[in-house]
Amino acid sequence: GAGVSQSPSNKVTEKGKDVELRCDPISGHTALYWYRQSLGQGLEFLIYFQGNSAPDKSGLPSDRFSAERTGGSVSTLTIQRTQQEDSAVYLCASSSGHPNYGYTFGSGTRLTVV
Amino acid sequence: SQKIEQNSEALNIQEGKTATLTCNYTNYSPAYLQWYRQDPGRGPVFLLLIRENEKEKRKERLKVTFDTTLKQSLFHITASQPADSATYLCALAPSYSGAGSYQLTFGKGTKLSVIP
Repeated sequence: GAGVSQSPSNKVTEKGKDVELRCDPISGHTALYWYRQSLGQGLEFLIYFQGNSAPDKSGLPSDRFSAERTGGSVSTLTIQRTQQEDSAVYLCASSSGHPNYGYTFGSGTRLTVV
Repeated sequence: SQKIEQNSEALNIQEGKTATLTCNYTNYSPAYLQWYRQDPGRGPVFLLLIRENEKEKRKERLKVTFDTTLKQSLFHITASQPADSATYLCALAPSYSGAGSYQLTFGKGTKLSVIP
């Protein structure tokens, strides 16, 4: 597609429920990244995928968080048993791989856990 | 641990003046430094890249400098306009391994307001 698409744009969920956030990257971009941004905080790295390699999960804050990328394209970030501290904007980005080219971000999913 | 500081959370500047934003880092030796613009409710948008062996980069009204001795980058917007009002983020990346991906570490950003 023309840009990185994320859905839903907003999600309100009850504490303890599971949520799935979706990211559709730019066609042809081999690398896909998930970050989250809390109010007043910088972008916090969560996980990234590169081609068929094992993902770098070093930023996932707990085992309640997981992500997969199917067919080298669409990615889903799953948060199980959501907590209020999970409330944030979850941003997905893709890139062609080399730092000469920046990340292209989606508009994010605003998650509110009540 | 790695630390990135952007000089202030907010910066107000008069239209037509030059805005200067600062990005300082510690415990890091980035090979690449990128600047992004973020508008409310949107994801960051890539603006400029500068490499560790480059002192200065320009793009239209934007200028970025990179001093690896001071561990600092300066981001300048000349002849600023109200439309330049946004949050600006600096991001650092290590040497590229050729693996087809690289991980960016972001600063918290500086919110720039250009006053007409």
